[in-house]
Amino acid sequence: QVQLVQSGAEVKRPGASVKVACKASGYTFSSYAMHWVRQAPGQRLEWMGWVTAGNGFTEYAQKFQGRVTITKDISASTVYMELSSLRSEDTAVYYCARDLVASIMGYWGQGTLVTVSS
Amino acid sequence: EVVMTQSPATLSVSPGERAALSCRASQSISSNLAWFQQKPGQAPRLLIFHASTRATGIPARFSGRGSGTEFTLTISSLQSEDFAVYYCQQYNNWPYNFGQGTKLEIK
Repeated sequence: QVQLVQSGAEVKRPGASVKVACKASGYTFSSYAMHWVRQAPGQRLEWMGWVTAGNGFTEYAQKFQGRVTITKDISASTVYMELSSLRSEDTAVYYCARDLVASIMGYWGQGTLVTVSS
Repeated sequence: EVVMTQSPATLSVSPGERAALSCRASQSISSNLAWFQQKPGQAPRLLIFHASTRATGIPARFSGRGSGTEFTLTISSLQSEDFAVYYCQQYNNWPYNFGQGTKLEIK
């Protein structure tokens, strides 16, 4: 069965960077796109960007342009999301979500809490 | 970008009754809309995609309808496990925005 297992919680200082991993199993890794979505405390879900299957094209929400980078390591079946220049407003749970088909987020990781605090 | 607006913010319904949740897009998104359920401390779960197609394993009491800018998620005969927060999300245009959520609570 499809499983997405994310790396553990992180605590970062303002201005630092964080890199969250999402290890996939149970399917052909290179055949599906992966999204990253975050949720600040008490807030709505927020789409950050995605990396497509195959050629690994990336698209990011304009809000995060210049600060977010999504990469994938096919040999490790892992997708990474790195967010730089962290500020307190970036405190959130970060989720990876695999395409079911055509941009539909059908499978989700368990979430990774990133806390930004001085 | 497409702004998604859900109503109401909170809906109080008794078990066994029917609930209807609304979602409006700021511009036409065709049928490129999904509904998710989220319980406290859990990741979202896909319920509906293409506005009206139930995801695998989702009970038939969940149904979706709509196209263009107006969408509805209906849950017939609410069960105790259905009380949660529901989000709509469009995947027609980047960024794939979500609505602010509707909290479905027990009356």
